[in-house]
Amino acid sequence: EAQVTQNPRYLITVTGKKLTVTCSQNMNHEYMSWYRQDPGLGLRQIYYSMNVEVTDKGDVPEGYKVSRKEKRNFPLILESPSPNQTSLYFCASSLGTGGYNSPLHFGNGTRLTVT
Amino acid sequence: ILNVEQSPQSLHVQEGDSTNFTCSFPSSNFYALHWYRWETAKSPEALFVMTLNGDEKKKGRISATLNTKEGYSYLYIKGSQPEDSATYLCASLMNRDDKIIFGKGTRLHILP
Repeated sequence: EAQVTQNPRYLITVTGKKLTVTCSQNMNHEYMSWYRQDPGLGLRQIYYSMNVEVTDKGDVPEGYKVSRKEKRNFPLILESPSPNQTSLYFCASSLGTGGYNSPLHFGNGTRLTVT
Repeated sequence: ILNVEQSPQSLHVQEGDSTNFTCSFPSSNFYALHWYRWETAKSPEALFVMTLNGDEKKKGRISATLNTKEGYSYLYIKGSQPEDSATYLCASLMNRDDKIIFGKGTRLHILP
C-alpha cells in the first residue's frame, strides 16, 4: 500500500532532550516536506526537500533540522526541544518537484508535547 | 511571504443544502493550487490540483473552480451530507521549485 509513515504518533519529552521524528514514503516521491499544525495558525511549512541531498527552509525552520540521505526518508530532528515546539507535525510527499500537478500525500501525524 | 486566505473560517450547513467557500491567493507567479479535505483525527487528503485559469474540477458532489488572474478559487459542495463535515484546506504554489503555502482552512459542519 502506497503510504507515508511517520513515527512515533505520540511523543512526550522534556526540554533539551534531542529527538527525531521519522518519515518514510514508499512511492518513490521526489518531494518531501514537514509541517506543523497549531490552533489558529494552519499548516506551516518547516523544511522541504526536492530530492536527495537537497533541503530548503520553509516558513518556520528555527529549532529544527532535517536530512535527505535517501529518497524515501526525511527525518525531522529537534536538537534541543522547547515547549513552543509542542505541536502536531505532519510529513508529506509528492511525486513532482514542487507539487505541480501532483498532490501531497500526508503521514498520520505526530503529536509532540515538550514539557 | 505568500498569503493564502480562506473564508469563511467556519460554516454550518443544513444536511441537503449546497454550499461554497473561497480561497484567495496572490495572482502573480501563480503555479498551482491544491484543495485538501481534512477530517478530525485524520490526515489531510487531496481533492484537487488545479493549474490553469478557468480550470473546473469535479469529484462526486464536490467541485472547484480556479481564477488565476484575480487570484481566487471556489470549492462547491452540492447536497451536503454528514460525511462532508471536515476542514477544507487550500494551498498555493507560486513557482515550480517553491514552498507550498496553506491557508488556515474552512471548517464545515453539516447539521442533521
